[in-house]
Amino acid sequence: GAVVSQHPSWVICKSGTSVKIECRSLDFQATTMFWYRQFPKQSLMLMATSNEGSKATYEQGVEKDKFLINHASLTLSTLTVTSAHPEDSSFYICSVRWQLSTDTQYFGPGTRLTVL
Amino acid sequence: AQSVAQPEDQVNVAEGNPLTVKCTYSVSGNPYLFWYVQYPNRGLQFLLKYITGDNLVKGSYGFEAEFNKSQTSFHLKKPSALVSDSALYFCAVRASGGYQKVTFGIGTKLQVIP
Repeated sequence: GAVVSQHPSWVICKSGTSVKIECRSLDFQATTMFWYRQFPKQSLMLMATSNEGSKATYEQGVEKDKFLINHASLTLSTLTVTSAHPEDSSFYICSVRWQLSTDTQYFGPGTRLTVL
Repeated sequence: AQSVAQPEDQVNVAEGNPLTVKCTYSVSGNPYLFWYVQYPNRGLQFLLKYITGDNLVKGSYGFEAEFNKSQTSFHLKKPSALVSDSALYFCAVRASGGYQKVTFGIGTKLQVIP
């Protein structure tokens, strides 16, 4: 399967600061990248879908000004949590879909964000 | 709207025994079905998928799943459970064709008892 990396794997920050999370597709070019949020003992909640070179599509209820997504290349997408607050603490997971095989998503290892 | 149901929050099985993790789905048209596994504080690892063809799909680590169209089910199975199989398992579905959104189940925790 494809290899997807995320950096950092965990981050602790103070309330009010911004945090950037990187997602890289190491094996192949990913036309589409997804950002999910996972709460304890819950399933994945899709936050947004990003396509290379275009604006991300956010799910209902997700603030696009708070969760900035940049998909600068076919192998890199970033999620920036702006002015983070304790309620933003969560496990954030990115996922990629391969350019030539669009039926399967592959996931990164996730980033644990803790906002103090 | 499409949906996935994983009726069991947790499944306990003795090491060496067969295991089944249940999943039923609802989707318009033909389904694409997936199983993923998640270990603590890790992302999801792809196990297997059903797109078309044989109803019995074999995947990683000895897991398999059977697609049953009439029962709209896609149960995950393994003949002999290992302690290392203990993890959180997610079933997912999407409609076929193009760029369709994937819907995940809530997950089932599998506990294999030594």
